[in-house]
Amino acid sequence: DTAVSQTPKYLVTQMGNDKSIKCEQNLGHDTMYWYKQDSKKFLKIMFSYNNKELIINETVPNRFSPKSPDKAHLNLHINSLELGDSAVYFCASSQDLWGRGGNTIYFGEGSWLTVV
Amino acid sequence: KQEVTQIPAALSVPEGENLVLNCSFTDSAIYNLQWFRQDPGKGLTSLLLIQSSQREQTSGRLNASLDKSSGRSTLYIAASQPGDSATYLCAVKAYAGGTSYGKLTFGQGTILTVHP
Repeated sequence: DTAVSQTPKYLVTQMGNDKSIKCEQNLGHDTMYWYKQDSKKFLKIMFSYNNKELIINETVPNRFSPKSPDKAHLNLHINSLELGDSAVYFCASSQDLWGRGGNTIYFGEGSWLTVV
Repeated sequence: KQEVTQIPAALSVPEGENLVLNCSFTDSAIYNLQWFRQDPGKGLTSLLLIQSSQREQTSGRLNASLDKSSGRSTLYIAASQPGDSATYLCAVKAYAGGTSYGKLTFGQGTILTVHP
């Protein structure tokens, strides 16, 4: 039973299109994240939500818009896709944002986005 | 701004060797440090989490240490096996405050290959 699941796993699309990646966690966590892993394998946070409230917005272009309909879901919508958006996007969740000490973060398997 | 560096970038060892992966971070005001494993085409799996007040954590053949004052952590893998081949990432969780609240900053990873 997958803890953090995201769809689609692979996505190839043309420049200028709009696409969405969906994420769901069944761990009962309060906090969810989107991370981006670029071609150099660096993982960087994009957004975090706690109880459906945006907490971190890490200087991401406003073409990227996260939406959290409930605590268990955090979707990522991308408008007007550009070549540079090609990357692996990881969804993750943790019990809460503060987690003083013991607060493991769980990752989904990633969504491979290729913009052509 | 927190920066996390991992050395070496890649490591190739014969099966059975004990090995050490290094992680350093620039800001010692952290909540915790976490070591992850990433297999090709997969998400991240949490290996060990060290709270800011702890010095080390152990799980099976893995031992992670934390020296917060010097901004360093090491991941020790005993009796390495081919199945340990993966990318190992360390990440530090930011202390409370501003837009860095609960933010995880990742290193670039160490690509480990254990050959039979």
